[in-house]
Amino acid sequence: AQTVTQSQPEMSVQEAETVTLSCTYDTSENNYYLFWYKQPPSRQMILVIRQEAYKQQNATENRFSVNFQKAAKSFSLKISDSQLGDTAMYFCAVANAGGTSYGKLTFGQGTILTVHP
Amino acid sequence: NAGVTQTPKFQVLKTGQSMTLQCAQDMNHNSMYWYRQDPGMGLRLIYYSASEGTTDKGEVPNGYNVSRLNKREFSLRLESAAPSQTSVYFCASRVTGRNQPQHFGDGTRLSIL
Repeated sequence: AQTVTQSQPEMSVQEAETVTLSCTYDTSENNYYLFWYKQPPSRQMILVIRQEAYKQQNATENRFSVNFQKAAKSFSLKISDSQLGDTAMYFCAVANAGGTSYGKLTFGQGTILTVHP
Repeated sequence: NAGVTQTPKFQVLKTGQSMTLQCAQDMNHNSMYWYRQDPGMGLRLIYYSASEGTTDKGEVPNGYNVSRLNKREFSLRLESAAPSQTSVYFCASRVTGRNQPQHFGDGTRLSIL
């Protein structure tokens, strides 16, 4: 069974500053992939960034980047130049890449991020 | 672009009533999923359908049934609703392939009194 732990229930940051959200996971698989999803107050689930476990290079999407440490099973999200629209709940998730996994996601408990003006 | 559409958006039921939540996707995705989201917890998988004609249990299937009606539609049924099933329900779909993300609907807020 997979588990995902987000140890920060809430975080806050000033607009234009940088913030890092933590995530650790556990899986017995060697091949898997990781995601960060954002859930604003509208309740939509929006993909922020994804990373394949076999890739050493950390994924980057505009102001969002990850620090993927496979040996430590850590997958943190860094948001640079924070904007008010980044205020949301952020979920870390893991999915096995195996043929019978069918992309099933295991989610962490979420971190509520508030960006202050 | 519709993406994943869930109906209804809100519903209030009495204990013991039955209800079907509908989900449809227009992205020609093979796999579809149902999750529930409870306060203070992440999304948990109820059931999934890897492809048309197949369904399988997820982490929390008790009290639910599903039907993969065709490639587009995947419904979730509560036969006898219980207060413990009060939650926000999300449907998602995904195209087959490595590293492909799931695309989510806007959720159904279900309250059972």
